[in-house]
Amino acid sequence: TQLLEQSPQFLSIQEGENLTVYCNSSSVFSSLQWYRQEPGEGPVLLVTVVTGGEVKKLKRLTFQFGDARKDSSLHITAAQPGDTGLYLCAGTSGSARQLTFGSGTQLTVLP
Amino acid sequence: EAQVTQNPRYLITVTGKKLTVTCSQNMNHEYMSWYRQDPGLGLRQIYYSMNVEVTDKGDVPEGYKVSRKEKRNFPLILESPSPNQTSLYFCASSFGTPMSSYNSPLHFGNGTRLTVT
Repeated sequence: TQLLEQSPQFLSIQEGENLTVYCNSSSVFSSLQWYRQEPGEGPVLLVTVVTGGEVKKLKRLTFQFGDARKDSSLHITAAQPGDTGLYLCAGTSGSARQLTFGSGTQLTVLP
Repeated sequence: EAQVTQNPRYLITVTGKKLTVTCSQNMNHEYMSWYRQDPGLGLRQIYYSMNVEVTDKGDVPEGYKVSRKEKRNFPLILESPSPNQTSLYFCASSFGTPMSSYNSPLHFGNGTRLTVT
């Protein structure tokens, strides 16, 4: 089983600040997804990155897939309280039919 | 509305009493999966199914059973629950397999919180 490590595990910031969350592995992934989970709900897909070096933007969120396809980052600009939630990365590899999830980053944005 | 429905949302039971958590999706998805979520451990896959009558073990299958007799339903069965199965459980589905996930994201249910005393 491939392992995905996320950091930091917890992050509490003030509204308006910028932040970056990291997702790292020693394995190569064919694709990587980012999900956000709010209390009492299941995770919801934010983005999928497929190509090494790929950058995708979703409003104030910027996602990057590492050149070697072993790591990814999520950058949030000018965080808002509505960004509060658990952010999960998940990857697939060419040899597995499973989606492996990281342990998550719990983000709290204070007003 | 396209959705994955799990029941029940909350369940408290005692050790050894068989239980079933139901999961149903209305999107005609081929791939379905069960995960458990525990603090600090993220989502760990229990079982998955590529299609009707095709199921396979995930990373933590011990103590669980599943069946896929119909495309829309994928129940999770705990024959003899134990306290270490206390967790938050999620069912998910997608049109294709995770290997084709760039075109078929996972859709999750809202979870079942199980407590085994």
